[in-house]
Amino acid sequence: EDQVTQSPEALRLQEGESSSLNCSYTVSGLRGLFWYRQDPGKGPEFLFTLYSAGEEKEKERLKATLTKKESFLHITAPKPEDSATYLCAVRVAGGGNKLTFGTGTQLKVEL
Amino acid sequence: DGGITQSPKYLFRKEGQNVTLSCEQNLNHDAMYWYRQDPGQGLRLIYYSQIVNDFQKGDIAEGYSVSREKKESFPLTVTSAQKNPTAFYLCASSSTDNEKLFFGSGTQLSVL
Repeated sequence: EDQVTQSPEALRLQEGESSSLNCSYTVSGLRGLFWYRQDPGKGPEFLFTLYSAGEEKEKERLKATLTKKESFLHITAPKPEDSATYLCAVRVAGGGNKLTFGTGTQLKVEL
Repeated sequence: DGGITQSPKYLFRKEGQNVTLSCEQNLNHDAMYWYRQDPGQGLRLIYYSQIVNDFQKGDIAEGYSVSREKKESFPLTVTSAQKNPTAFYLCASSSTDNEKLFFGSGTQLSVL
C-alpha cells in the first residue's frame, strides 16, 4: 500500500528562522511528488512537482528537494504570510492522475 | 478567469437526507476528482472521473454517488448511507497530460 508520511505535524518558527518540512514516502513506482499550500478554509494551492531523485525547485522563500525515499520543503527566512498547512502528495505508476496525500505540516511563523 | 467553483460554501444535512455538492470547472480539463478532508487526516479520494460519462470509485466511495454528464460538471451526492458526513469536501480537476491538480475552495458539510 502506498504511504505518505509528513513531519512534523506542527511547526512554530520565528520570522527569519529557517527550517525544513519532511515528506517520506513508500510507493510502488513514483511518478511525481507534489507540494501544496493550504490556508484555513480554502482549497490547496499548487507549489511544486518533483519527478526524480536529485531534482530541486525553488519559489521565493521555498525550495523543494527529492531523494529516493523522501522530499524536503526548505523555508528560508520565513515571514508570517508563510503560515499555512503544507501538504505533500504522490502520484504512482498505474494510478492515473490520482494523488495520495500526507496529513500535512501546519506551519506558524511569528513576529 | 479560469478556475473551479464549488457551491455552496457551507451545507447542513438533516438525518436521512441526501445532499448534493456542486463542482464546475472552466479549465477544459478532462479529469475531475472529489476529496474529503477531516481534521488531522490527509485528503482522501472519494470518486474520480477521467472522461465524460465515466467515473471510478476512490478509497472511500461508500455512501457517496457522482455523475459526469458534462465535461464541466462533477456533482457529488452525500447519501443517507454516509453515517459520518461532517467534513470539508474538495473538488479538483486536471488535464490528462498534466497531472497537477487544481482545487476549488471547498464545501464544509455539517450534520444538524
